[in-house]
Amino acid sequence: QVQLQESGPGLVKPSETLSLTCTVSGGSISSYYWSWIRQPPGKGLEWIGYIYHSGSTNYNPSLKSRVTISVDTSKNQFSLKLYSVTAADTAVYYCARGHIESSGYYADYWGQGTLVTVSS
Amino acid sequence: SYELTQPPSVSVSPGQTASITCSGDKLGDKYACWYQQKPGQSPMVVIYQDIKRPSGIPERFSGSNSGNTATLTIRGTQAMDEADYYCQAWDSSTASGVFGGGTKLTVL
Repeated sequence: QVQLQESGPGLVKPSETLSLTCTVSGGSISSYYWSWIRQPPGKGLEWIGYIYHSGSTNYNPSLKSRVTISVDTSKNQFSLKLYSVTAADTAVYYCARGHIESSGYYADYWGQGTLVTVSS
Repeated sequence: SYELTQPPSVSVSPGQTASITCSGDKLGDKYACWYQQKPGQSPMVVIYQDIKRPSGIPERFSGSNSGNTATLTIRGTQAMDEADYYCQAWDSSTASGVFGGGTKLTVL
């Protein structure tokens, strides 16, 4: 059974960088589209981006200038960096395993999510 | 950018059929999927590629997608189905995922 677990600071200061790591267990990080999705408190889901095991990435156009997703296949981990954060970036951040088939994307395994608050 | 629109809320009586819609420009030309999210839990896919159910998802969940609208149908709705439901599609022009705003399903 594939499991994903997010880790990282729960509090980040404005203008600083949010950094999270997702550790994948119960399966290889090879193949699939490893994704980050966030959810502001009381609001809906927002897709952030994905990385393929080869290292190719795609990002939400609205966040593209501030986001980097990287992968470490030796550790079965992938990571998110979001730069120059503001209070609007306060959210529960989920990592997930994504599939892209025939130009359709869906995420079948999700982490439990981690709340990141942006505040001084 | 591509947008998906869902009704904020849908109510249904136990045992009845609930339908949740998701609208987007030529959505029928794309694959849609649906996630269920219960309070305090991570989302869970209940329908992918318009009509497919992952293993473990009850047969009462079904999906369709045509024209500008995708629909999640729950037949014989149970109290345990009360949750937020999100549709999601892939915007091939930007190679990015897009979520609908979510629909709160109330079973009363």
